[in-house]
Amino acid sequence: DTEVTQTPKHLVMGMTNKKSLKCEQHMGHRAMYWYKQKAKKPPELMFVYSYEKLSINESVPSRFSPECPNSSLLNLHLHALQPEDSALYLCASSPGMSGRSNEQFFGPGTRLTVL
Amino acid sequence: AQSVTQPDIHITVSEGASLELRCNYSYGATPYLFWYVQSPGQGLQLLLKYFSGDTLVQGIKGFEAEFKRSQSSFNLRKPSVHWSDAAEYFCAVGEGSGNTGKLIFGQGTTLQVKP
Repeated sequence: DTEVTQTPKHLVMGMTNKKSLKCEQHMGHRAMYWYKQKAKKPPELMFVYSYEKLSINESVPSRFSPECPNSSLLNLHLHALQPEDSALYLCASSPGMSGRSNEQFFGPGTRLTVL
Repeated sequence: AQSVTQPDIHITVSEGASLELRCNYSYGATPYLFWYVQSPGQGLQLLLKYFSGDTLVQGIKGFEAEFKRSQSSFNLRKPSVHWSDAAEYFCAVGEGSGNTGKLIFGQGTTLQVKP
């Protein structure tokens, strides 16, 4: 299995809702990532997990809360989002975090709309 | 600091014509370079990568790229473009210092294919 899966594909939520995005990989990769992408822009890194521990938080607002329950799963919990948080949220994984092992495989993304 | 520049924001080519997308990077040591493609509303798919060795690398879908250290470039080429190649293309360099897992992306090039 050489793919990263993400659910749901689309999500519409109000500013008071709580929702979660899910990402899964079965490639044995030890690093997993959350990115946010606006239209016609490159992905912006949000969080990096290495060996199930949070390694990097790119100063992301606390209304986004990542979780890595095990080496195959990555969640992003959403609460009290703003309309400007509407974007494509991409998950990625890589064997490791440096050099050759930083070859990242991306999921199809979750299209999030905040009303 | 590392950076990636894709000088062409938008390129239009006729189907069957050749293609070259430019990528320039700024990095002190030997870079780890990637080209990704993204179709509308989809995730990023890795086209090819360069870590070391032969400077001409072959990728999927008939793409190739050439690493030129003297020009700090990693241009993507395809001899004959198909309509299905219309997409957004991102060049990226792996951040080599430390063990961060970060990819530095260029701003992307939108490829339009005329029939």
